[in-house]
Amino acid sequence: NAGVMQNPRHLVRRRGQEARLRCSPMKGHSHVYWYRQLPEEGLKFMVYLQKENIIDESGMPKERFSAEFPKEGPSILRIQQVVRGDSAAYFCASSPRSLGRGIYGYTFGSGTRLTVV
Amino acid sequence: TQLLEQSPQFLSIQEGENLTVYCNSSSVFSSLQWYRQEPGEGPVLLVTVVTGGEVKKLKRLTFQFGDARKDSSLHITAAQPGDTGLYLCAGEVNDMRFGAGTRLTVKP
Repeated sequence: NAGVMQNPRHLVRRRGQEARLRCSPMKGHSHVYWYRQLPEEGLKFMVYLQKENIIDESGMPKERFSAEFPKEGPSILRIQQVVRGDSAAYFCASSPRSLGRGIYGYTFGSGTRLTVV
Repeated sequence: TQLLEQSPQFLSIQEGENLTVYCNSSSVFSSLQWYRQEPGEGPVLLVTVVTGGEVKKLKRLTFQFGDARKDSSLHITAAQPGDTGLYLCAGEVNDMRFGAGTRLTVKP
């Protein structure tokens, strides 16, 4: 997990505030994926990004959620006007390529645990 | 409904016992992976299987990919408390999709 850096590890926000979650992929990886995990559940796909491009955002709510992966800097998952239901662990993963990436596997970060109070 | 169904959802056993957990789907996957996740951490890749019928061994863990590449199993021999964790399977179709996991507890 040390290769993918996520911060902060824990984030507390009041309802209506904005949450920004950051992810720096493993060195040499240009593909970033965000997943959400609720307690006692598996990982739900949210969005897949390459540098400056959103490839697949089919798992992301249409409102309040957005993601970017700029040319320079980390990938950002942004949640506007947070509600209690947004409380979850958000994981970022990276891979070195898209085609056949299942063969290489994903490297996950340690996650950001968002609590909305 | 989940693309990948994992069973059992929870499993609690004594140290030294053997166990098998399953990952099933109606979809065909180009590859399938198993991860283990410990509390407070992200999933860690254990193995990737690619070929139908493939069997891979990782110490006391044996992974099998079904002939039709729709399902997989994980067998652990002589389980140890250190094996405790959430075991997730993930299948690659157009993207990686995860099952809900099997939560394994191995009691000393």
